[in-house]
Amino acid sequence: SQKIEQNSEALNIQEGKTATLTCNYTNYSPAYLQWYRQDPGRGPVFLLLIRENEKEKRKERLKVTFDTTLKQSLFHITASQPADSATYLCALDGGYGGSQGNLIFGKGTKLSVKP
Amino acid sequence: DSGVTQTPKHLITATGQRVTLRCSPRSGDLSVYWYQQSLDQGLQFLIHYYNGEERAKGNILERFSAQQFPDLHSELNLSSLELGDSALYFCASSRTGYSTDTQYFGPGTRLTVL
Repeated sequence: SQKIEQNSEALNIQEGKTATLTCNYTNYSPAYLQWYRQDPGRGPVFLLLIRENEKEKRKERLKVTFDTTLKQSLFHITASQPADSATYLCALDGGYGGSQGNLIFGKGTKLSVKP
Repeated sequence: DSGVTQTPKHLITATGQRVTLRCSPRSGDLSVYWYQQSLDQGLQFLIHYYNGEERAKGNILERFSAQQFPDLHSELNLSSLELGDSALYFCASSRTGYSTDTQYFGPGTRLTVL
């Protein structure tokens, strides 16, 4: 079955630096990959979606890459701020080209940005 | 505020009991998804309904069932509750039923089974 791993449970960085989070997957070839942000006790919030034929996607200070050969996605936050502190979740489409709609989530990486 | 509402916010019950969690999707969204989040398992997909019909099923136990009503709200029924069912239960909605759609998550229902 599909397996999705996010590189570490926690990442601590200094304000202003670039945070890089990793998502690896095995036994699967997703058509889409999404990144969500989750704050404690709240539901995940969608950030970015990248398709299998896209190498990179940007939105303001966020950048996502998708390498289908390495089966890996990288999520970057540039010029990080304490307000970026949260858990970031990687999610793959549930199969069948995304037609079933459900997402398979990684366990997340908790990012802490220190002032 | 995502526009998705879930009730109740907290639920404390005993083993063996049955509870119902309710979800109202965003206006215009036809799909409702249920997810379970526990500390050790992360966010796990349970079931997806699209316009009243079951579209996909994940790791949903037989003791759990769900439905989506004609007004598109959804209910998740959990029965014969066990300690291990304690978790956050999230409902999400999207416009259609495809993985390219943004899923909007509700605030969740925290279930504690004692």
